[in-house]
Amino acid sequence: KQEVTQIPAALSVPEGENLVLNCSFTDSAIYNLQWFRQDPGKGLTSLLLIQSSQREQTSGRLNASLDKSSGRSTLYIAASQPGDSATYLCAVYSGGSNYKLTFGKGTLLTVNP
Amino acid sequence: DGGITQSPKYLFRKEGQNVTLSCEQNLNHDAMYWYRQDPGQGLRLIYYSQIVNDFQKGDIAEGYSVSREKKESFPLTVTSAQKNPTAFYLCASNRGISYEQYFGPGTRLTVT
Repeated sequence: KQEVTQIPAALSVPEGENLVLNCSFTDSAIYNLQWFRQDPGKGLTSLLLIQSSQREQTSGRLNASLDKSSGRSTLYIAASQPGDSATYLCAVYSGGSNYKLTFGKGTLLTVNP
Repeated sequence: DGGITQSPKYLFRKEGQNVTLSCEQNLNHDAMYWYRQDPGQGLRLIYYSQIVNDFQKGDIAEGYSVSREKKESFPLTVTSAQKNPTAFYLCASNRGISYEQYFGPGTRLTVT
């Protein structure tokens, strides 16, 4: 059974700092990995999707990497801003008989002005 | 604008009543999903549908039912058999396996 772990559970940084969020998964047989952002009381916003054949994806100040063999992904946020404060979730799409996303519990990020 | 709509945003019901949550998408996606989110537990899959008139149970389907009569719509009914129905419910869709998944704004259901 696929399990996704995100460390740390919460992170507080000063504005302008570069930071890394971590995601690990137990079964490396994945189709892809997706990073999301969730603001309080809202739905999830997709940030980046990395296919299993890719090593990284970039969007603006965000860069996500994937090391499938070791079961790890990182989300790098450059020059953090208070507006980046949210919960960040990673999820993997696994194969087998049930094609579904398995989510981590998220990292709550607070960027202080 | 293309997207996923969920209604209502907030829903209050008495214990023992069935309630139906609406999910509509105009993204022309084949696959649709229902998740439940509880504090400290992350998102858990309730049901998913990869095509019209077909759907599969997820990890926590007991006490829930769905239908997929139209490509655009995937309503979720929370029945009185669901023991802890109070939660935040999220609907999602995508073009299919390995495609980016998009989420609606969610419905917060409170049952007392």
